[in-house]
Amino acid sequence: AQKVTQAQTEISVVEKEDVTLDCVYETRDTTYYLFWYKQPPSGELVFLIRRNSFDEQNEISGRYSWNFQKSTSSFNFTITASQVVDSAVYFCALSEEGAQKLVFGQGTRLTINP
Amino acid sequence: DVKVTQSSRYLVKRTGEKVFLECVQDMDHENMFWYRQDPGLGLRLIYFSYDVKMKEKGDIPEGYSVSREKKERFSLILESASTNQTSMYLCASSLRQGATYEQYFGPGTRLTVT
Repeated sequence: AQKVTQAQTEISVVEKEDVTLDCVYETRDTTYYLFWYKQPPSGELVFLIRRNSFDEQNEISGRYSWNFQKSTSSFNFTITASQVVDSAVYFCALSEEGAQKLVFGQGTRLTINP
Repeated sequence: DVKVTQSSRYLVKRTGEKVFLECVQDMDHENMFWYRQDPGLGLRLIYFSYDVKMKEKGDIPEGYSVSREKKERFSLILESASTNQTSMYLCASSLRQGATYEQYFGPGTRLTVT
């Protein structure tokens, strides 16, 4: 069975701090995909990244970076020099090959205070 | 840009009413999904459709049905609304199988059943 756990329900930091959002997943498949989505106050989920299980390279996109470690079944997301506009709920999700469906974690509410 | 639109942002219905939530996407995506989002539970899949007139149950289909008569439109139906169906409903679409593609989400419908 697939499962995604985001143990941090809420995080609050001061602007310009770095912050890491944790994501731990469970799957029996060897081929799977991991995703991060951002849900700002407007409500619409915004796709951030997709990684497949064979690509363990860390990814950096501007202030965002992702650390994928199969050994610990984790796919953590770091925001460097956080800004108030980063305030949102962030979801990690998992899909097995060909499954089409996404299994979401519970979400982490991130608040960046000025 | 992928555009997924939902018929209402906010909806208030009475217990026992039949409720229709409409979703339209403009990117010719084969897959469409309905989720509900509740605090602490993340997103849970209600139903999805991989083709016109095709549907599959998700994790929580009880009390819901769906209709997909045209490729671009996917409707969620609450046959007899109950207070425990008060929630945020999110529609999404994605390309079909071959690989697992990211899903694109609509802005959501916040439904209150009184």
